[in-house]
Amino acid sequence: AQSVTQLDSHVSVSEGTPVLLRCNYSSSYSPSLFWYVQHPNKGLQLLLKYTSAATLVKGINGFEAEFKKSETSFHLTKPSAHMSDAAEYFCVVSAYSGNTPLVFGKGTRLSVIA
Amino acid sequence: DAMVIQNPRYQVTQFGKPVTLSCSQTLNHNVMYWYQQKSSQAPKLLFHYYDKDFNNEADTPDNFQSRRPNTSFCFLDIRSPGLGDAAMYLCATSREGQGDYEQYFGPGTRLTVT
Repeated sequence: AQSVTQLDSHVSVSEGTPVLLRCNYSSSYSPSLFWYVQHPNKGLQLLLKYTSAATLVKGINGFEAEFKKSETSFHLTKPSAHMSDAAEYFCVVSAYSGNTPLVFGKGTRLSVIA
Repeated sequence: DAMVIQNPRYQVTQFGKPVTLSCSQTLNHNVMYWYQQKSSQAPKLLFHYYDKDFNNEADTPDNFQSRRPNTSFCFLDIRSPGLGDAAMYLCATSREGQGDYEQYFGPGTRLTVT
């Protein structure tokens, strides 16, 4: 079985400072891991994904995440926050075994202060 | 651009009056999903189609039905909406069976029940 824990329900940063959104996962299989972003009243957009290739994954809008198997973590980072980064972020896991629905974390709301 | 389209973006219905939400995709993906997302919560999977095979989540109420007449279209029918069914409904697609488990989301339909 798979599960995801997002360690912070809300993170607040100042514009221009680093962003860290934390995610831990549990999976019986080699997982695929994703970060999605959702702006208010919008659908989910994929930021980046890990599928057993390079452990440091670069995504869109300057975000990146590092897969650490020993720590079962997949934290999302960005060096410098922008006002437009304010949104809800979901860490998601999928078993790499086909036709398996995604398992979502509860989400982290990122606020960016000017 | 290939995409997932949901219509309408906003839907208002009366308590107990059947409503249908639609989703179409130009990605030619073989799997389509319907999620319900309530305020400040993660998306909750209602059901999905793997090709023509319908897969219902165990806790999806009988009030929710789905149809997939062809690869491109999928419908969500709510037979007798209650106030608790007011939510954002998200459609997603994926190309299962080829090692790509990323889901592509539509913009969502926000359902209001009066």
